[in-house]
Amino acid sequence: AQRVTQPEKLLSVFKGAPVELKCNYSYSGSPELFWYVQYSRQRLQLLLRHISRESIKGFTADLNKGETSFHLKKPFAQEEDSAMYYCALIPYSGGGADGLTFGKGTHLIIQP
Amino acid sequence: ETGVTQSPTHLIKTRGQQVTLRCSSQSGHNTVSWYQQALGQGPQFIFQYYREEENGRGNFPPRFSGLQFPNYSSELNVNALELDDSALYLCASSQDSYGYTFGSGTRLTVV
Repeated sequence: AQRVTQPEKLLSVFKGAPVELKCNYSYSGSPELFWYVQYSRQRLQLLLRHISRESIKGFTADLNKGETSFHLKKPFAQEEDSAMYYCALIPYSGGGADGLTFGKGTHLIIQP
Repeated sequence: ETGVTQSPTHLIKTRGQQVTLRCSSQSGHNTVSWYQQALGQGPQFIFQYYREEENGRGNFPPRFSGLQFPNYSSELNVNALELDDSALYLCASSQDSYGYTFGSGTRLTVV
């Protein structure tokens, strides 16, 4: 069975500082990886998806298969980045029927 | 284009009762999945429906069941409610089984 680990429950950085939210996964096959974000009082929304290789709101994430990691990075944090961030995995081979496996989330706080 | 809507937003039930939660998927999406999110945890996959058939299930007992209708809306039914069923229940819809759009959730409290 697959597993997603986000080792930091809470991460606090100052505005303008670099941000890295860690995500490690365990899955024997080929995973599709996502980052979801939940801003205060809003619904969970997709931030970025590995396969699209996009940069959304200045965030990027690189899949490292050797280290089984998919860390989320942003070079300069902004106050509006404060939110709950979830890393998620779906087995590519299952056609999506296995559903998303989420980590427990990291609460990112950007201090002014 | 409407997003995913869930009803009700909040619900209180007594242990042993049954509950039905509803979800309207985003226009054009034919896949609906349900998640349970306990306090302080990430969402956990319950099951998924594709064109009215269950095509995937997580580690949840049979008292969690569902339906998907021809218009792709969906229901989650939970029988014999237990205190541990108290959680936020999220519905998500997708067109391609990978890009999910989530609803705001139903907060269920079992007393």
